Amino acid sequence: DAKTTQPPSMDCAEGRAANLPCNHSTISGNEYVYWYRQIHSQGPQYIIHGLKNNETNEMASLIITEDRKSSTLILPHATLRDTAVYYCIVRVSSMYSGGGADGLTFGKGTHLIIQP
Amino acid sequence: SAVISQKPSRDICQRGTSLTIQCQVDSQVTMMFWYRQQPGQSLTLIATANQGSEATYESGFVIDKFPISRPNLTFSTLTVSNMSPEDSSIYLCSVRLAFYEQYFGPGTRLTVT
Repeated sequence: DAKTTQPPSMDCAEGRAANLPCNHSTISGNEYVYWYRQIHSQGPQYIIHGLKNNETNEMASLIITEDRKSSTLILPHATLRDTAVYYCIVRVSSMYSGGGADGLTFGKGTHLIIQP
Repeated sequence: SAVISQKPSRDICQRGTSLTIQCQVDSQVTMMFWYRQQPGQSLTLIATANQGSEATYESGFVIDKFPISRPNLTFSTLTVSNMSPEDSSIYLCSVRLAFYEQYFGPGTRLTVT
């Protein structure tokens, strides 16, 4: 799986958009970008994933650069409950992984703190 | 989606003893995973547990220390054997339902004294 680089921490004001960057310059053509978050004392939660097109769901938007070497997770209207560690993970979709060990490799993530 | 429960939610154990953690899922799943999260650290994959086959362990984790059972498609156990204070961590169970989504249990917080 390709390596990712994220800032260790970020602050964002409540109600504003939170933009979390992720660098993945060694990403391969068949690797997806996944985002998970871990709220304190809970298990990680899936947020969104994408291959090369921008994606949006009810939780967030994912913007992937044209060269796919970086991406940004956008929480459009951050609330205090969005305070968490956000993990950017790059990996081959399980559909293509041959059914082998498909566990996720977590980096250190970004600790996003939403300020009131 | 999947609802995952773990038992116990937390425990305090003495050095040299063993603890078995249970993971129950509300739907049948093929692939289950066990992770460890040491204090202040990120998650580390321990092993992959597929029903009907032996668990596959990641580098640094061995079956004698972390035996896993997977008797059916909704249940798994992880045993932490011969515990030492270094085993104090949160242990999380996870399942994969679709090609791109994994769901995680709430974790078991283990303290070894």
